[in-house]
Amino acid sequence: AQSVTQLDSQVPVFEEAPVELRCNYSSSVSVYLFWYVQYPNQGLQLLLKYLSGSTLVKGINGFEAEFNKSQTSFHLRKPSVHISDTAEYFCAVSSFGNEKLTFGTGTRLTIIP
Amino acid sequence: NAGVTQTPKFQVLKTGQSMTLQCAQDMNHEYMSWYRQDPGMGLRLIHYSVGAGITDQGEVPNGYNVSRSTTEDFPLRLLSAAPSQTSVYFCATRGGTDTQYFGPGTRLTVL
Repeated sequence: AQSVTQLDSQVPVFEEAPVELRCNYSSSVSVYLFWYVQYPNQGLQLLLKYLSGSTLVKGINGFEAEFNKSQTSFHLRKPSVHISDTAEYFCAVSSFGNEKLTFGTGTRLTIIP
Repeated sequence: NAGVTQTPKFQVLKTGQSMTLQCAQDMNHEYMSWYRQDPGMGLRLIHYSVGAGITDQGEVPNGYNVSRSTTEDFPLRLLSAAPSQTSVYFCATRGGTDTQYFGPGTRLTVL
């Protein structure tokens, strides 16, 4: 079975400060990892994904994430946040041979002007 | 190219009523799925389909039915609505082995 843990339900950050949203996963096989963003009253949009290869993955809107197999983590980072980054962020995992995508409970990012 | 569309956007039902949430896609994706989103619980998989005529249960299938007669459409049926089914419902598709594309959602309230 696969699972995802997002350690922080809410993260407040001052505008232009850096941010890290934490994600840990559990799976017995090779994984594919994703970060999705949900802006208020909208559907989910893919930020970035790790399938294989380089462990540092760059996504849209200046976000990046690093796959760490030994720590089973896939933390999301941005060096300088903007008001427009206010949203809920979901980490998700699927496994080789498993059709299903399992989501974490989400982290609400609030940017403080 | 509309991507994934869902109707209706909002719906209010009374306990015991039935309804169908519609999902359609124009990307020719084989894999389609339904999720529900509840506060503090993330998205949970209800049912999914790997192609026309093939469906399977996800994490929370009770109270919901699906069918897949065409590649484009994947409706979700609530047989007898309950207040516990108040939620936001998302349909998603996937073309290859990775990225899922989500519809805009249907906000359902059951009184």
